[in-house]
Amino acid sequence: NAGVTQTPKFQVLKTGQSMTLQCAQDMNHNSMYWYRQDPGMGLRLIYYSASEGTTDKGEVPNGYNVSRLNKREFSLRLESAAPSQTSVYFCASRDYKGQPQHFGDGTRLSIL
Amino acid sequence: EDKVVQSPLSLVVHEGDTVTLNCSYEVTNFRSLLWYKQEKKAPTFLFMLTSSGIEKKSGRLSSILDKKELSSILNITATQTGDSAIYLCAVEENSSNTGKLIFGQGTTLQVKP
Repeated sequence: NAGVTQTPKFQVLKTGQSMTLQCAQDMNHNSMYWYRQDPGMGLRLIYYSASEGTTDKGEVPNGYNVSRLNKREFSLRLESAAPSQTSVYFCASRDYKGQPQHFGDGTRLSIL
Repeated sequence: EDKVVQSPLSLVVHEGDTVTLNCSYEVTNFRSLLWYKQEKKAPTFLFMLTSSGIEKKSGRLSSILDKKELSSILNITATQTGDSAIYLCAVEENSSNTGKLIFGQGTTLQVKP
């Protein structure tokens, strides 16, 4: 009963390095989302994919790119990491309109 | 700009107390309001409230949506240490089928023995 799986769970990067965060869901959901969570700011949407083959920017897309590889997988890429991108990143998915999103356990990313 | 505001931001109570968490929103085209509980890792879904379902209850937790006041409350009665968590409120817009959620800052609840 995996649900939404994120890898890695923790990562430390140096400024300027690149990195891809992986997310996979086994619930056959159509829509997938990437959020970042910073202290005192709740969750903010970075990018989302309403259905396989589409991606769109959310509230805070700068410095990130995404790929919806197939229906199961949605990856988030940092091309040139910056200290401001230190955060906890959550992936989520949902089946269709009116259903709640289900979240992965998060990736804690530190950029030095 | 659409926004969701939660209050208080943090709260410390003792076991057995009753707590009320607040969420207010300014969203152009409201579809639903969701409550999540976040312990150490993933936010887990608690309730979804819509125009057709403005009150939900599960055990010691209950939630009400007030569409007139553009707000919701989450009540927890007879609190236990296991209720210690961050409680997140989120609103979904109805303008498209994207399912995008706008989250509040969260309320951190600590329940002391």
